[in-house]
Amino acid sequence: AQSVAQPEDQVNVAEGNPLTVKCTYSVSGNPYLFWYVQYPNRGLQFLLKYITGDNLVKGSYGFEAEFNKSQTSFHLKKPSALVSDSALYFCAVRDRGGGSYIPTFGRGTSLIVHP
Amino acid sequence: GAGVSQSPSNKVTEKGKDVELRCDPISGHTALYWYRQRLGQGLEFLIYFQGNSAPDKSGLPSDRFSAERTGESVSTLTIQRTQQEDSAVYLCASSSSAPDTQYFGPGTRLTVL
Repeated sequence: AQSVAQPEDQVNVAEGNPLTVKCTYSVSGNPYLFWYVQYPNRGLQFLLKYITGDNLVKGSYGFEAEFNKSQTSFHLKKPSALVSDSALYFCAVRDRGGGSYIPTFGRGTSLIVHP
Repeated sequence: GAGVSQSPSNKVTEKGKDVELRCDPISGHTALYWYRQRLGQGLEFLIYFQGNSAPDKSGLPSDRFSAERTGESVSTLTIQRTQQEDSAVYLCASSSSAPDTQYFGPGTRLTVL
């Protein structure tokens, strides 16, 4: 079985400050991990993914995420937040050895960046 | 033809009517997914198509829901005898071979009165 948790419904940060959006996962094997962003009235857009290799993954719009196997986490980070980063962020996981091609999505975290 | 497209963008219907939602995936993408997103909630998996294989229908909430896909092209999601709890945004995504980054359409917002 696979699952993912986003423990914060909402994250507030001031523009220019660093931001972190948390994600933890559970899989029986090794994970594929994804972050997506959803702007109002839009579909989800891919930000970045972890497949294998370097634990620090860099993605679109200056975002990055660090895969931490011991803590089963994949937190999304950005050094300096922009007001335009305000959106809904989804973490997703798929168990590589699980035999399913269907990822499980978290409930989403609303990021609000204040001017 | 860059991205995934969905139609209609909005659909308002009366309880008990049937609705059909359409998804045009990115050309060449063999995998296609349908999700439901209720207001303020995450994504609920509905159905998955992979090439010509039998679809994974494990997420369909009832037998009122069905979906078809011809080959690797357009997919339609049909909801029969709609209920008010069917009101949601229905998202379609497509992907190429694994590891499968999904590319999402803009969604269809369904409102059942």
